[in-house]
Amino acid sequence: GIQVEQSPPDLILQEGANSTLRCNFSDSVNNLQWFHQNPWGQLINLFYIPSGTKQNGRLSATTVATERYSLLYISSSQTTDSGVYFCAGGNTGNQFYFGTGTSLTVIP
Amino acid sequence: DVKVTQSSRYLVKRTGEKVFLECVQDMDHENMFWYRQDPGLGLRLIYFSYDVKMKEKGDIPEGYSVSREKKERFSLILESASTNQTSMYLCASSFWTNNEKLFFGSGTQLSVL
Repeated sequence: GIQVEQSPPDLILQEGANSTLRCNFSDSVNNLQWFHQNPWGQLINLFYIPSGTKQNGRLSATTVATERYSLLYISSSQTTDSGVYFCAGGNTGNQFYFGTGTSLTVIP
Repeated sequence: DVKVTQSSRYLVKRTGEKVFLECVQDMDHENMFWYRQDPGLGLRLIYFSYDVKMKEKGDIPEGYSVSREKKERFSLILESASTNQTSMYLCASSFWTNNEKLFFGSGTQLSVL
């Protein structure tokens, strides 16, 4: 299967700071998604982004498909951004490979 | 809004018990998935189904089986629970085509004693 590497594994930010999370894939994927898992365990789909750039409020994501990586930007972080961020990718509609996540803690 | 519902948030079972985890989605999705999540390992696919009565093994199917009798419902079965199956279990669903988002339920934390 496809190997997915996420960095950094852990991140602690002061409220208001910006951050960049990275996801590298061992092979090309044509379906790439970012998720946020809140402290209660719920995984929320943030972006479907196989290529290009998307923005949603303070979050944006960029995928460079030819180089097999994706970046998630969090600007002006808030305590509610805390949790674990996962990226996942695949090449069929029914197989997604997940990274091990970036654990983000935003302190007030 | 999209909704994937898992029947239990927390479950405690004894070794050797048969365990059923239920998942229901209301979006008419063809694909349904069962993952388990363990610290440091991310999410690992147990089984998925792309249609009623169809199932495919994922990366870690040993010790598990699944059932999909109706399109909206996907059940994960632990035939004889063991302590190494203590984990967070996550159900997800999506449309069949590749360019679709994956939606998750809120998870079931299973403890096998």
